[in-house]
Amino acid sequence: GAGVSQSPSNKVTEKGKDVELRCDPISGHTALYWYRQSLGQGLEFLIYFQGNSAPDKSGLPSDRFSAERTGGSVSTLTIQRTQQEDSAVYLCASSTGQILNTEAFFGQGTRLTVV
Amino acid sequence: KQEVTQIPAALSVPEGENLVLNCSFTDSAIYNLRWFRQDPGKGLTSLLLIQSSQREQTSGRLNASLDKSSGRSTLYIAASQPGDSATYLCAVGPQYGKLTFGQGTILTVHP
Repeated sequence: GAGVSQSPSNKVTEKGKDVELRCDPISGHTALYWYRQSLGQGLEFLIYFQGNSAPDKSGLPSDRFSAERTGGSVSTLTIQRTQQEDSAVYLCASSTGQILNTEAFFGQGTRLTVV
Repeated sequence: KQEVTQIPAALSVPEGENLVLNCSFTDSAIYNLRWFRQDPGKGLTSLLLIQSSQREQTSGRLNASLDKSSGRSTLYIAASQPGDSATYLCAVGPQYGKLTFGQGTILTVHP
């Protein structure tokens, strides 16, 4: 596609429910990143994929958070038993692989509200 | 652990002023530094990418400098316009893997 696409753009869920957030990276981009931006905060790294594997998932805040990537393309971030503190904008980015010489393109984000 | 700090947190200037945004990072072992722009409700737009071997990059009215040894970068915006109003984010990156972001500077340029 022309850019990184995330869906849904907005999600309101009840506390305790599970949610899935989807990211479609730019075609051919092997690296994919998930970040979280809470209100008034900077971007918090969650997980990084190179192909289908995740060399760095150190930012996942708890075992309620998981992510997978299939076919070296689409990625899904799953949050189980959502809590109010999970409310944030979840941003996805992709790049061609080596950060050294490439741009990182960001999607518009999914705004998650847990009520 | 890499930490990135941006000063000021917010800045309000009249149209036409030249301004400087500051970014500092604790670990100088970076491969590049980027400046992004974020508009409300939107994703990030990449403005400038500086490789670790470079000292500065320019794009239009924007000029970014990098002093890797001292862990500092500045973003200079010339002749500011109301359309420049946004949050500006600085991020540093290793060769592979995650970018580490600062908290951002909220810029308001008023007519």
